[in-house]
Amino acid sequence: NAGVTQTPKFQVLKTGQSMTLQCAQDMNHNSMYWYRQDPGMGLRLIYYSASEGTTDKGEVPNGYNVSRLNKREFSLRLESAAPSQTSVYFCASIDFNTEAFFGQGTRLTVV
Amino acid sequence: GENVEQHPSTLSVQEGDSAVIKCTYSDSASNYFPWYKQELGKRPQLIIDIRSNVGEKKDQRIAVTLNKTAKHFSLHITETQPEDSAVYFCAASGQAGTALIFGKGTTLSVSS
Repeated sequence: NAGVTQTPKFQVLKTGQSMTLQCAQDMNHNSMYWYRQDPGMGLRLIYYSASEGTTDKGEVPNGYNVSRLNKREFSLRLESAAPSQTSVYFCASIDFNTEAFFGQGTRLTVV
Repeated sequence: GENVEQHPSTLSVQEGDSAVIKCTYSDSASNYFPWYKQELGKRPQLIIDIRSNVGEKKDQRIAVTLNKTAKHFSLHITETQPEDSAVYFCAASGQAGTALIFGKGTTLSVSS
């Protein structure tokens, strides 16, 4: 039982490059989330998926796209990376109004 | 949508003192209020949560109180220890399909 698995752990991109962050959970949770964490800004919601087949924008969706591939997997794509997207990204998996389980995080640097 | 404000942003206490972190939320429909602890370089982990039908909940040295009328909730840590040093986040969510929104976090430092 791995919980939430998030890849990669570290990534350096050049401005304008694209990449996809992968997230998978094995807890049969309906909801999955992507957050970014910046110093002094807390955990800001990028996108979430309340159930398979649905996605909704969070607080800071600009520059990102998501895909809920199936119940287990929720990916985050940066189409054209910008330095402002340098951050630590966390995927989380949640059953309705219970504990959120986080992945290990992805430290992304855009140069 | 929901907005969660958290204060203070930093808190320094002496070992053995109590620490209190306060949060307010904007959406009266929110009914679930968890608290997470994040140690340096690690992922956030749940330490305690409370639902809207409860006013207070305790777990050893940690307690959370909720005032739904005023739309605020607080985390209380008693007899603080150096290992309590971390960043603490409050959060709020409501009905099924709504998002879990976090406050900006409080960096707690406990000195011995």
